[in-house]
Amino acid sequence: GAVVSQHPSRVICKSGTSVKIECRSLDFQATTMFWYRQFPKKSLMLMATSNEGSKATYEQGVEKDKFLINHASLTLSTLTVTSAHPEDSSFYICSVHPRETQYFGPGTRLLVL
Amino acid sequence: AQKITQTQPGMFVQEKEAVTLDCTYDTSDPSYGLFWYKQPSSGEMIFLIYQGSYDQQNATEGRYSLNFQKARKSANLVISASQLGDSAMYFCAMSNKQGAQKLVFGQGTRLTINP
Repeated sequence: GAVVSQHPSRVICKSGTSVKIECRSLDFQATTMFWYRQFPKKSLMLMATSNEGSKATYEQGVEKDKFLINHASLTLSTLTVTSAHPEDSSFYICSVHPRETQYFGPGTRLLVL
Repeated sequence: AQKITQTQPGMFVQEKEAVTLDCTYDTSDPSYGLFWYKQPSSGEMIFLIYQGSYDQQNATEGRYSLNFQKARKSANLVISASQLGDSAMYFCAMSNKQGAQKLVFGQGTRLTINP
């Protein structure tokens, strides 16, 4: 399988600040990465598809100006939560898909106070 | 649109017994993939098993097997000889194999293994 890392693993920030989350594919060159969000006791929901060298594709209802995605290389995608608010507190997790399978990073827990 | 349904919010099983976690799906695509993931309390999503819609045989990975019944649109996960470490949330998911590999997840089943 593919090995995926995320940084930070957890972050606490004040309302109104921006938070950047990194997703790294350590052993697989990922032209596409996916960003999911999971609220407590809920399932995972796809937020956006990160495309290397081009714009991300956002799912319906996800604000692209609030969740900025950059995929500058085949091993790194970043998700920036801009002007974070308490309702953005969630578990953010990225994935890569070598062939037909899909492997996830360890996730980032964001708490906005 | 694709949809995944897991009807068991919680399951309690005695250690060493086999357990079946249910998953049904709905899609109009002829080509798709079905996945099972384990999510322990740490939050990481651990890939367990994959079944392609055109695969003739049921997928198996160690103690995990996927009971794929295409006509019934079901993809149940069977865990044999359950262990205490199997206690976790389990998610069924599907992808459009022809598309961007986006995953749609079910609601999850919390499995508890009792000693």
